[in-house]
Order: sequence, then C-alpha cells, then structure tokens
Amino acid sequence: GAVVSQHPSRVICKSGTSVKIECRSLDFQATTMFWYRQFPKKSLMLMATSNEGSKATYEQGVEKDKFLINHASLTLSTLTVTSAHPEDSSFYICSARQGIRNTEAFFGQGTRLTVV
Amino acid sequence: AQSVTQLDSHVSVSEGTPVLLRCNYSSSYSPSLFWYVQHPNKGLQLLLKYTSAATLVKGINGFEAEFKKSETSFHLTKPSAHMSDAAEYFCVVSDRSNDMRFGAGTRLTVKP
Repeated sequence: GAVVSQHPSRVICKSGTSVKIECRSLDFQATTMFWYRQFPKKSLMLMATSNEGSKATYEQGVEKDKFLINHASLTLSTLTVTSAHPEDSSFYICSARQGIRNTEAFFGQGTRLTVV
Repeated sequence: AQSVTQLDSHVSVSEGTPVLLRCNYSSSYSPSLFWYVQHPNKGLQLLLKYTSAATLVKGINGFEAEFKKSETSFHLTKPSAHMSDAAEYFCVVSDRSNDMRFGAGTRLTVKP
C-alpha cells in the first residue's frame, strides 16, 4: 500500500513553545489529509480535515488558533501546536487520501507529544 | 453528520473460534465504510472497505464484513481466530462530507 510518513515520532517540548509535526505522502498525491488525536486506550478523534490549497476544516471544539494546519502541497501537511500546554500531550496521527470518500486513507505512524 | 457505533469495547475469543466485531453506522447519505486494525505500537492498517459495490466484502487475513442497509450495520467477522489477530479494531465511516470518522474501537483478545 501507499506510504505516509509522519515526523517526528516522538517530541518533548516545554510549556509555551510551539511544535510542528509533518505528514508526507511518499508515493501518491494526497488531495485530502486528516489529523487525529488519540488518547490512551481511546479511539481516534478527528481534529481537522484539510484539502490541498484550501483552509482546513476544524471539528467543533478544536481551537484553530492553537492547532495550525497547513496543506501547502499535494504531498505535505503540517500540524503546529502553538503555545503548548501539558494538556496538549497526546498521540497525534495523520492520514492521507488520494481520492474522495470511497477511497481508503493511509495512516502515518503517529507522533507522541509530551509537553513538560 | 455521520457516525459509527462499535457495540463492544472488548471481545475475547479462543484461538480457532469465530470472531464477530459489531459496528452500526449513521449517515444521511450512502456511506463508505472501512475496518482498520491497530496493533500495539504499530500504525493503522486497512482490513477491508465497502464502497457501494458488493455488500459482502472480503479483506486481508481472512476477515470479511457484510453491509446491511436495513440494519445499518457493517459487522466484521472471521471464521477462525489466530493469536496474531489480537489488536484494536476500528470501524470508520465516510460519506458526502468526505470526513473519516472512527468508532470507539473494539479490543480483540485471543486466548490460547
């Protein structure tokens, strides 16, 4: 299957700083990318959906000024956690899809963010 | 908005016995439905998908699922469980909105 690379896999940052997570589709063009947050032993919570070249659509309750998403090209999307706080510590997962709703999405390996 | 409900948070079976993981969906449009598996410390892998073609869908590793519109269900089955099937399983729905939304997940335990 297609490969989605997410980087970094782990990051520790201090409170108040910003962290950027990258998500790349290595062998296909991703028209849509998704960002999820997964709490321990819980499901994936959709944070936002981004289509290349347009603004991301955020889910209700997700602060767009805190979680900045950029999908500048068909192979790259970034999530920046701004002014991070300990409660932002979580597992963040991206996925990418080449087509529309009936095509599968491919997932990155996830990023473990710890804010100290 | 579309959503999925996974009826069991945890299913435990013995090796060699059948597996049934239940999923019900809610969607205003004809949905696409997926089952993904997440092994510990590994990424999510697609098991199978339904996209309005055949209602009985066969996936990898012997899994299959049947789309039943009348019951709004998309249950995942396997005739004979293997130890390596122990993992977290997610039912996912996507419809006209193009989002992909996950169910709460079902943890499958396989006993020797």
